[in-house]
Amino acid sequence: EAQVTQNPRYLITVTGKKLTVTCSQNMNHEYMSWYRQDPGLGLRQIYYSMNVEVTDKGDVPEGYKVSRKEKRNFPLILESPSPNQTSLYFCASSLSRINSPLHFGNGTRLTVT
Amino acid sequence: GENVEQHLSTLSVQEGDSAVIKCTYSDSASNYFPWYKQELGKRPQLIIDIRSNVGEKKDQRIAVTLNKTAKHFSLHITETQPEDSAVYFCAATNSGGSNYKLTFGKGTLLTVNP
Repeated sequence: EAQVTQNPRYLITVTGKKLTVTCSQNMNHEYMSWYRQDPGLGLRQIYYSMNVEVTDKGDVPEGYKVSRKEKRNFPLILESPSPNQTSLYFCASSLSRINSPLHFGNGTRLTVT
Repeated sequence: GENVEQHLSTLSVQEGDSAVIKCTYSDSASNYFPWYKQELGKRPQLIIDIRSNVGEKKDQRIAVTLNKTAKHFSLHITETQPEDSAVYFCAATNSGGSNYKLTFGKGTLLTVNP
């Protein structure tokens, strides 16, 4: 089944403890992206990747890192999480950047205390 | 950069009525405008999209219209049903540009009352 898989679905952590949210797609998609969803603010893009080893900042990249060493994986890294990073995170992928629909993962609800 | 405004945060309609959700965008170079539906507790899913060389697109009960001059696009849902209740996000991007930042509106919660 074609899908975008995020793990974990739920994560509670403490301020400053490094964490990684994994994202993997099995559709051979070139483009991958991370979004955070907050009430009243919609979906805001954190980082995106056009292909392996090609990444760029979205609208809210501060406090996050990403890597794209393989085409299928695009992990989101929080080196020193803070409470303002408490949010619902979505990974998404698309076949290419040209007019292709985004396929979203199931989301990761992160709470930083 | 692109700024997408989704003017209604909530919209309530009676079952069977039509619903229209409008978005405006700022970047005249934007040429791809998708709409995503997010049911409660679920992931966003594409329901319809439109490219800038087309003024209108229909798919059964849903349609999207685009006015490039005024820089706005709208989602139209006819004969609404309770299962249409969800948050709807519009988005815009310049898909031919050197990057691919898809900018979303803040979402409209549509409630269809039986």
